[in-house]
Amino acid sequence: DAKTTQPNSMESNEEEPVHLPCNHSTISGTDYIHWYRQLPSQGPEYVIHGLTSNVNNRMASLAIAEDRKSSTLILHRATLRDAAVYYCILKGSGTGNQFYFGTGTSLTVIP
Amino acid sequence: EAGVAQSPRYKIIEKRQSVAFWCNPISGHATLYWYQQILGQGPKLLIQFQNNGVVDDSQLPKDRFSAERLKGVDSTLKIQPAKLEDSAVYLCASSLDTGLSPLHFGNGTRLTVT
Repeated sequence: DAKTTQPNSMESNEEEPVHLPCNHSTISGTDYIHWYRQLPSQGPEYVIHGLTSNVNNRMASLAIAEDRKSSTLILHRATLRDAAVYYCILKGSGTGNQFYFGTGTSLTVIP
Repeated sequence: EAGVAQSPRYKIIEKRQSVAFWCNPISGHATLYWYQQILGQGPKLLIQFQNNGVVDDSQLPKDRFSAERLKGVDSTLKIQPAKLEDSAVYLCASSLDTGLSPLHFGNGTRLTVT
């Protein structure tokens, strides 16, 4: 399983954009980049995933570097409900590949 | 759609006792996972099922942990006998398949071993 590196914690002001970085220098050509988040006392929830191109959905945007060795999850306007631990995960598309979670980034949103 | 259901929500047992957790995945989801999350850490995969067959149980401590998924739907995870270090949240997740389908997690069972 390819390894990802994320900052342990980040802070953001409410209603400001948030950029959560993830380094994955050993990513393979078939690994997809997935982001999940875990709110307090809940199980993780899916946020977004991508392979090479930038991706947008209703929750967030995913910006992937051209060499794919890093990516950034962008929350366009942080709310207090976005305070969570954010996990960046690499996963191949095949059956034998698993979702391995690291320790993630704990995001604090300041009112 | 109904989410992944887990029970019980909390469980307190003494060491050397046994405990079982139950999971009902989202209807139609072929793949089911059990994760262990120790306080301050990310979830750690214990076992993955595809329908009622095991795909990966390489990180399951088989001397004390067991899991089954009868008829490819509900699943139970058992610990016997429990140790203090088993105190954690046990999360169940399901997905449509083993490829790129996102995981849907339940809210977990918090186990405290005293």
